[in-house]
Amino acid sequence: QVQLQESGPGLVKPSGTLSLTCVVSGGSISTNSWWSWVRQSPEKGLEWIGEILHIGSTNYNPSLKSRVTISVDKSKNQFSLTVTSVNAADTAVYYCARRVICSGNICYGLDVWGQGTTVTVSS
Amino acid sequence: EILLTQSPGTLSLSPGERATLSCRASQSVNSIYVAWYQQKPGQAPRLLIYGASTRATGIPDRFSGSGSGTDFTLTISRLEPEDFAVYYCQQYGNSPYTFGQGAKLDIK
Repeated sequence: QVQLQESGPGLVKPSGTLSLTCVVSGGSISTNSWWSWVRQSPEKGLEWIGEILHIGSTNYNPSLKSRVTISVDKSKNQFSLTVTSVNAADTAVYYCARRVICSGNICYGLDVWGQGTTVTVSS
Repeated sequence: EILLTQSPGTLSLSPGERATLSCRASQSVNSIYVAWYQQKPGQAPRLLIYGASTRATGIPDRFSGSGSGTDFTLTISRLEPEDFAVYYCQQYGNSPYTFGQGAKLDIK
């Protein structure tokens, strides 16, 4: 059974860079799945950040695209999120999650989630 | 961007009652790209329904989803104590994928 675990600094300074990693266990990252990042804050609720396939194809939320990079490291079975030029609005709980690629007319939602990690942007 | 509006914002019911939660999209969404999630305090969201009406693995059959176009519904036929939580709809057919603002189901 696939499990996801986020890790990274809980505190980032304004204008700095937020970097998080999600380790995939119980299965290979090189499967027919989009590996996703979602964040949640009281102000914005649940916000989809972006997703990546193991071959490196990505989709990003246009509102964040200029500041966000999602990458994959197949050798470590993990994927990562980088957000540059952070500000207080980037304070949130960050989740990694899996979305299995559509099969015909069956399109799964985000069926596996990490426990989430809280990131605070503050000096 | 497709805006999802959930109603009501809060629903107060008793165990054993039926809950009906609504999700309205600002433009038509292919139903194969609509999901519902349940979230309890301090936990990550849990997938309940995908493709608007298919229950995810391990989800009890008291949960059902329906709808098409711009209107989607999550129904819980007989509320159990563990069902009191916040529920979110999501569309993942048009980027950016978006979530509703959430609907809180609390005990009356």
